[in-house]
Amino acid sequence: AQSVTQLDSHVSVSEGTPVLLRCNYSSSYSPSLFWYVQHPNKGLQLLLKYTSAATLVKGINGFEAEFKKSETSFHLTKPSAHMSDAAEYFCVVSDTGSNYQLIWGAGTKLIIKP
Amino acid sequence: GAGVSQSPRYKVAKRGQDVALRCDPISGHVSLFWYQQALGQGPEFLTYFQNEAQLDKSGLPSDRFFAERPEGSVSTLKIQRTQQEDSAVYLCASSLVLTRVDTQYFGPGTRLTVL
Repeated sequence: AQSVTQLDSHVSVSEGTPVLLRCNYSSSYSPSLFWYVQHPNKGLQLLLKYTSAATLVKGINGFEAEFKKSETSFHLTKPSAHMSDAAEYFCVVSDTGSNYQLIWGAGTKLIIKP
Repeated sequence: GAGVSQSPRYKVAKRGQDVALRCDPISGHVSLFWYQQALGQGPEFLTYFQNEAQLDKSGLPSDRFFAERPEGSVSTLKIQRTQQEDSAVYLCASSLVLTRVDTQYFGPGTRLTVL
């Protein structure tokens, strides 16, 4: 069965410094992987997705993630944090047992210090 | 066009009351999903519709939960005889088609508090 582990419940960085949000997954097949962001009182928004094409995926707002099969990881990075990046981030894997069920990590809260 | 909308945004119910939560998906989207998100956790799948057909309701936690999408667009999630453990944010999402890689677009959610 698929599962997702987000290794940090909270990450705190200073504005202008790099961001790293870690995600490991387990999957028996070639997974589809996603990162979603949830700002307070707003809906979940897709940041980026990996669908077995290029292993380095670029998303919105300067975020990118690299699929590493050998490490079963899909970490999210951004070179320079902005105050507006403060939000909850979810790593998600699609359930290969169906075409649509998404398996969600517990989330990482990103805190940006001025 | 407009995104997924949900109403009400906040709902407070006394234990034992029935509630109805509404979701308006993006126009033309075939697939509609309901999720439950407890505080500090990721969303958990409840049920899925393809047009008006409810193809999967395996995530509904009890027979007090019921969802419908009678005309293949707007959907309603109904919870009967609410319990305190039903307190959560209920999220609706829609997608254009049905594939593993299709993006699900989420509404802002309805925060249900059962007293």
